Amino acid sequence: GAVVSQHPSWVICKSGTSVKIECRSLDFQATTMFWYRQFPKQSLMLMATSNEGSKATYEQGVEKDKFLINHASLTLSTLTVTSAHPEDSSFYICSASRLAGVWEQYFGPGTRLTVT
Amino acid sequence: GEDVEQSLFLSVREGDSSVINCTYTDSSSTYLYWYKQEPGAGLQLLTYIFSNMDMKQDQRLTVLLNKKDKHLSLRIADTQTGDSAIYFCAEIVAGGSYIPTFGRGTSLIVHP
Repeated sequence: GAVVSQHPSWVICKSGTSVKIECRSLDFQATTMFWYRQFPKQSLMLMATSNEGSKATYEQGVEKDKFLINHASLTLSTLTVTSAHPEDSSFYICSASRLAGVWEQYFGPGTRLTVT
Repeated sequence: GEDVEQSLFLSVREGDSSVINCTYTDSSSTYLYWYKQEPGAGLQLLTYIFSNMDMKQDQRLTVLLNKKDKHLSLRIADTQTGDSAIYFCAEIVAGGSYIPTFGRGTSLIVHP
């Protein structure tokens, strides 16, 4: 299967600072990239959907000014958590998708964010 | 909109078969996926089935689809302790937004 990487895998930051998370599709060009948030023992919560070169589409309740998404190329998307607060601590997972006969969606390994 | 339901827990003995069930609501042309998530990791695509299929087998994994009841199952033969993880069912409606709808995940615990 295709490989999606995320960097960093974990990060600890102080309240009020900003953190950038990168998501890369390593061996394919992604039609669409998704950002999810996952709380302990819960399912994935979709935050936003982004296509290369266009603005991200945010889900209801997700602050676009707080969670900045940049989709610079078909293989790279970034999520920046601005002015992070402890309640932003979570596991953030990206996925990259392509339509290759069937719709395929591959997930990154996730980034554990802890805001102190 | 779409809704995907799964039971939350399943406990099996090592060597037995595991069956994880999922129900979905959209009867349109649909892709249905099974993902595995180990602790602290992302989701690993295990297998998928299109709604015009009834069954798909891949080594120890068998996916059965009952379109009439909108019921999907994942059977893991000869379950091993390494299969302990959370298994997510997901649905994508073809021709729509291609945004998947995930179930809440079934936590599979395999004990010796």
